[in-house]
Formats: sequence, structure tokens, C-alpha cells
Amino acid sequence: DGGITQSPKYLFRKEGQNVTLSCEQNLNHDAMYWYRQDPGQGLRLIYYSQIVNDFQKGDIAEGYSVSREKKESFPLTVTSAQKNPTAFYLCASRSGQHNEQFFGPGTRLTVL
Amino acid sequence: EDQVTQSPEALRLQEGESSSLNCSYTVSGLRGLFWYRQDPGKGPEFLFTLYSAGEEKEKERLKATLTKKESFLHITAPKPEDSATYLCAVQFMIKAAGNKLTFGGGTRVLVKP
Repeated sequence: DGGITQSPKYLFRKEGQNVTLSCEQNLNHDAMYWYRQDPGQGLRLIYYSQIVNDFQKGDIAEGYSVSREKKESFPLTVTSAQKNPTAFYLCASRSGQHNEQFFGPGTRLTVL
Repeated sequence: EDQVTQSPEALRLQEGESSSLNCSYTVSGLRGLFWYRQDPGKGPEFLFTLYSAGEEKEKERLKATLTKKESFLHITAPKPEDSATYLCAVQFMIKAAGNKLTFGGGTRVLVKP
């Protein structure tokens, strides 16, 4: 089955720690995106990548970092510089021929 | 600043009671408008893409329409399984790089049997 997987589903972090969220897709999509969702708010774009080894900041990139070494993978690191990291994180991908983005199941990050 | 506003924030319906959700956006050149359905604790599921005023798309009990300044998602004779949060997202021309989307806050729909 083609799709987007995110792991882990739930993640707990102590203050001051960096954590990495995984996003993998086997749809052969060129573009990948990371969003953050807070209760009662719309999705906000953190980073996106249109091709391997290239990525751009979204609207709320401070305190986050990404890499795109393989077409299938786009991991997101939440660093200790992110002041309010507790949120639901969503990864999405898009083929080069279409505008629609397709989402993974999400990772819920909680800072203890 | 380009914005997307959805209304109402929440909607409670009886099974079979048709209704409409609204998505309005500031006009700075629309490249595309997208509707998603999101169940609690899950990722959004793609429903429709609309590109030009007058366009309509249908899927089962859902119908999406687009005007120059807003889109409606009509739910006809809803069933309890239609309960979800419905998200609207807009791709603005001036933010077209990377096919970035601007999301509204969503409408939570609860359909009671």
C-alpha cells in the first residue's frame, strides 16, 4: 500500500531535549511538508522541501530543523530552542504534477 | 495578509438535517482551494480541489462550491459518520512557491442520530 507513515505516534520529551520525528512516503512524491496543529487553530507550515537536498523555511521555522537526504524521507527535529513544542505534528507530501497535499497520521509531541 | 476564515467554528446537526460550512478568504489571487476532513487524532483526509469561481465537486453527501471570495461545503442528509472537523486550505498566487497552503481554523461537525 502506498502512503505516508509517521513515527512515533506519541512522543514525550523533557525540557531541554532535542527530538526527531520521522516521516516516510512511498508515493514517489517530490515535495514534502511539515505542519504543526494546535487545538482550535489551523495548520501552520514549519518547513517544506521540493527536491532532495533542498528545503525552505515555512511560517514558523524557529526552533525546528529538517533534512532531505532521500526522496522518501523528511525527518523533523524539534530542538530545545522551540519554546512551546507541545502540539500535533503532521507531515504531508505532493506529487510534482498535482497541487493536492496528502497527509500522514501525525505525531503528538508532549513536553513534560 | 492573506487569511482564510471558516465558519461556524462548530455545528451540531441531527441526522438528515442538511447544512453548509463556509470558507472565506482575502482576495489576492486564488490559485486553488482545498477541502479536507479530519477525524480526532488523525491526519487530514483530502476531499476536493476547486480552482475557479462556479466550479462544483461532489462526493457522496458532500458538495463543494466556489465563488470569487468564498467556498461552501454542503452536507446533504448527514449521517453520524460524517462527524469530523472539516478544514479549508487556500493556495494564494503570491505564495505559490512550494505550493504552500494557508489553512483556516476548521469547522467541527457533530451529527447526532
